[in-house]
Amino acid sequence: QVQVVQSGAELRKPGASVKVSCKASGYTFSAYAIHWVRQAPGQRLEWMGWINAGTGNTKYSQRFEGRVTLTRDTSASTAYVELTSLGSEDTAVYYCARGPLGNYRLDSWGQGTLVTVSS
Amino acid sequence: DIQMTQSPSSLSASVGDRVTITCRASRRIDAYLNWYQQRPGQAPNLLIYAASSLQGGVPSRFSGSGFGTDFTLTITGLQPEDFATYFCQQSYSTPYTFGQGTKLEIK
Repeated sequence: QVQVVQSGAELRKPGASVKVSCKASGYTFSAYAIHWVRQAPGQRLEWMGWINAGTGNTKYSQRFEGRVTLTRDTSASTAYVELTSLGSEDTAVYYCARGPLGNYRLDSWGQGTLVTVSS
Repeated sequence: DIQMTQSPSSLSASVGDRVTITCRASRRIDAYLNWYQQRPGQAPNLLIYAASSLQGGVPSRFSGSGFGTDFTLTITGLQPEDFATYFCQQSYSTPYTFGQGTKLEIK
């Protein structure tokens, strides 16, 4: 069955960077997209961007443009999000989710990774 | 960005009830509307995609409708496991924005 497993919680200081991984199994990794969504405390879900796991093409939310990088390693069926210049407002649970190409529903989600930014 | 607004923000209901949650887009999104359920401490789970298509494995008591700017999620015959928070999401154009959520609580 489809599984998406994320790396563990991270604690960073303001100004630092963080990289979260998302390992997929149970399907052909390169035939789907991986989306990244975050949820800050008390806030709505916020879409950050997606990567075509086959081609590596990416699309970012302008809100994060310049600070976020999505990559993937097809040999490891793993996607990554890296966020730089962290501030306290980046404290959130970060989710990856699989999405069929061409219809951007998010049909299988990782368990979430808590990123805490604190001095 | 397309703004998504859900109503109500919270809702109390009893097991067996029928409930409806509404989602409105700030501009036309055709049928590019998805619904998710999120239980406390868990990741969201896709229920409905393309406004009215039931995701595999989701009980048939969940249904969706709408087109353009106005959409509804209906749960017919609430079960104890349905008390959770529900989000809509538009996938018409990036950034793929979400509603603020509707928390469904037991009366």
